Formats: sequence, structure tokens, C-alpha cells
Amino acid sequence: SQTIHQWPATLVQPVGSPLSLECTVEGTSNPNLYWYRQAAGRGLQLLFYSVGIGQISSEVPQNLSASRPQDRQFILSSKKLLLSDSGFYLCAWSVLGRGDQPQHFGDGTRLSIL
Amino acid sequence: GDSVTQMEGPVTLSEEAFLTINCTYTATGYPSLFWYVQYPGEGLQLLLKATKADDKGSNKGFEATYRKETTSFHLEKGSVQVSDSAVYFCALSDRSGNNRLAFGKGNQVVVIP
Repeated sequence: SQTIHQWPATLVQPVGSPLSLECTVEGTSNPNLYWYRQAAGRGLQLLFYSVGIGQISSEVPQNLSASRPQDRQFILSSKKLLLSDSGFYLCAWSVLGRGDQPQHFGDGTRLSIL
Repeated sequence: GDSVTQMEGPVTLSEEAFLTINCTYTATGYPSLFWYVQYPGEGLQLLLKATKADDKGSNKGFEATYRKETTSFHLEKGSVQVSDSAVYFCALSDRSGNNRLAFGKGNQVVVIP
């Protein structure tokens, strides 16, 4: 069966520090991969998605970037965090090329910026 | 673009009550529709889905029917339990190869014993 792992589960970082959140998927090949942010009390905002290694699409301009160095690895990064980067970050995967398939989510990373 | 609208505000109800959460959508094609549930501090879990008109998705006592004529996918459960307290999100997929989802804003459901 397929599993998705995100780490760390929680992170407290000072303003201006770098960020690296990692997400890996097991049990499937060539997945679509996604990064979302969920601000407190609000819905989900799609940040990035990827349909293959090295292919990244950005949904909103921001202080963050994403990379996909391996087929089942998706990394969310920042060179300098802002207070507004606080939130709950979720990684998800879906079957490649199928528009009728759901996305499957990791347990999330709660990021607090001080 | 494609979008999903959920009813405003939290839903508070007593155990064994009937639950309805409204969801309507706007889409240019024929989307697939999903309900996700998020328990406190966790990621989203797929609750149910429907991929074409008149399909009924069901799971754990929850049901939703894909209504093309009213562009709706309302979530229902006949008798809620305290353990159903969570945030519920309606979502649609535009059936493109990248399988992006558009989410509603979510509804907090609180079930009181």
C-alpha cells in the first residue's frame, strides 16, 4: 500500500532563517505531488505541484520554493522566513495523469515563526 | 476558474442528530467531487468521492450525491457521534492530468454528547 511521510511534525523558526520541509511517498511510482498551506481557521491554499522529477509549477508568488530531486521526494524551502509563513503545511500525492483520482495527504508540519 | 462553495460558519449539533453540510461548485467541464475530513492536528483524509452525475459516494455512514442539475454535492449523515467532530472540506478535480483540486473553505463540525 502507498504511504506518505512528512517531517518534521512541528517546527519553530526565527524570522529570517531558512526552511526545508521534506515529503516522501512510498509504494507508488511517478506520482503527482503537491504542497499546500493551511492558515489558522482557513482553507487550503495550493502552493506548488509537480508532475515529474524537476518539474515544478507554482500557484502563487511567495517567499517559498519547491524542488523534486527524486521521483517520490518533494521538498519545500525558503531562504528567509517571514512571519506570514506561519501555518500548517501539507504534502499530498495522487496518481499521475488521472483527473478522477483523489489526493492523499500527509500528517502535516506545523510551522511557527517567531 | 473552477471553485467550490461551502456554507458559512461552524455546525454544532447533538449526538445522534442529522447532519447536512452544503457544497456547491462551479466548473467548466465534468469534475470529480470529493469530501475530505480533517481531525484536530492531522492531515486530510478522503471521506468519499463521486466521479459522474448521479453517483452517490458513501463511507462511515456519510453520503453525498453528485447533482449536476443543481451543481451540488451535499454531505449527509443520519446520526452523528462525538467522534465525527472535525473539519469537513468539499473539493473538485478538473480532470486535467495534473489532478489539481479546488477546495471549499471547510466547515467545523462539533458534536455535543
